[in-house]
Amino acid sequence: DVKVTQSSRYLVKRTGEKVFLECVQDMDHENMFWYRQDPGLGLRLIYFSYDVKMKEKGDIPEGYSVSREKKERFSLILESASTNQTSMYLCASSDRGSGRETEAFFGQGTRLTVV
Amino acid sequence: AQTVTQSQPEMSVQEAETVTLSCTYDTSENNYYLFWYKQPPSRQMILVIRQEAYKQQNATENRFSVNFQKAAKSFSLKISDSQLGDTAMYFCAFPSLYNFNKFYFGSGTKLNVKP
Repeated sequence: DVKVTQSSRYLVKRTGEKVFLECVQDMDHENMFWYRQDPGLGLRLIYFSYDVKMKEKGDIPEGYSVSREKKERFSLILESASTNQTSMYLCASSDRGSGRETEAFFGQGTRLTVV
Repeated sequence: AQTVTQSQPEMSVQEAETVTLSCTYDTSENNYYLFWYKQPPSRQMILVIRQEAYKQQNATENRFSVNFQKAAKSFSLKISDSQLGDTAMYFCAFPSLYNFNKFYFGSGTKLNVKP
């Protein structure tokens, strides 16, 4: 059974703190993603990684950075958390492949509240 | 960025009835896949159905089917014999024009199935 695991389901942090959101997948997928989910806005891509140490900015990378030192692990970092980063964060992975039919597999989400 | 539009923020349907969720998208490509994902209250996003643009025949998965109209760039999801377990957020998704490993999502439709 395929699995994408996010380290926390709920997280509360203070403004200005450095926050790490961790994601691990066990499917040997090349691609990993971090999305932010907000009501009425759907899922917005923050960062995308297509290989170890490789990353690409998504649509809303400001205020975030990522790290991918190992193939199975993709971390999202909030350098200095702000209240407008309060949101649901979803991690996903997919097989690179050559087919456009490849689906993404998701973690259970981390609901982050910055106070 | 590419656009994926879901114009129905919320819908309700009685149990056992049929409901259709709308999605439109924008692309200049000819061959691509389109996806519908379901996010139940548990937050675990799962793939419901996918459609290849090259295929004339609409995809079907049990009670879920699509109405794909390529010229109109429309990709609707029909749920027949709605069940309480179908209550969820539904997202239409579309791979990036420039990198099909990246997915773009619509804003979502919240479906409530009433007993």
